[in-house]
Amino acid sequence: DVKVTQSSRYLVKRTGEKVFLECVQDMDHENMFWYRQDPGLGLRLIYFSYDVKMKEKGDIPEGYSVSREKKERFSLILESASTNQTSMYLCASRFWGETQYFGPGTRLLVL
Amino acid sequence: AQSVTQLDSQVPVFEEAPVELRCNYSSSVSVYLFWYVQYPNQGLQLLLKYLSGSTLVKGINGFEAEFNKSQTSFHLRKPSVHISDTAEYFCAVSGGQYNFNKFYFGSGTKLNVKP
Repeated sequence: DVKVTQSSRYLVKRTGEKVFLECVQDMDHENMFWYRQDPGLGLRLIYFSYDVKMKEKGDIPEGYSVSREKKERFSLILESASTNQTSMYLCASRFWGETQYFGPGTRLLVL
Repeated sequence: AQSVTQLDSQVPVFEEAPVELRCNYSSSVSVYLFWYVQYPNQGLQLLLKYLSGSTLVKGINGFEAEFNKSQTSFHLRKPSVHISDTAEYFCAVSGGQYNFNKFYFGSGTKLNVKP
């Protein structure tokens, strides 16, 4: 079975802090994704990566950056956390054109 | 960009009744279609997918969906629901003319199964 893990299930940070969310997949997938999920808005794509060191902006990249130094790991970085970034963050991975597999999510609260 | 519309934000239903969760998408060009389920405090789990072939797709937990190209719809159905089906369901689309590698998700439908 494909396994996608996220470094934290719950995280509390203060406004202005730099926040790192990490995602690891064990199936050698080329593509990895970061979404945020908010009530009534569904999932919105922040960034995705189609290979090591390759990234592309999604629909809501402002205030976020990403890093993919190794194929199995995709990090989401909040450069200076703000309260409007309080959300559930979901990581996913897949082979080209195939099903996305999701991690359990990280619920981030920014105070 | 592609858009995905889930017409019902909440669907209440009694146990053992049939249910249909509706999904429409905007692109008429060939796409891949998915339904995911999310249980409380968990990530998304794939229920079923349509890539090509038969328009009636069967998934896990007794769910099925029908791809209707002319109506650009991919409605999810189950003939008899259980309490354990209470969850949020997301329709997703990828491919087509906009961006093959991107997924577009609907806003979700909360299914509430009552005893």
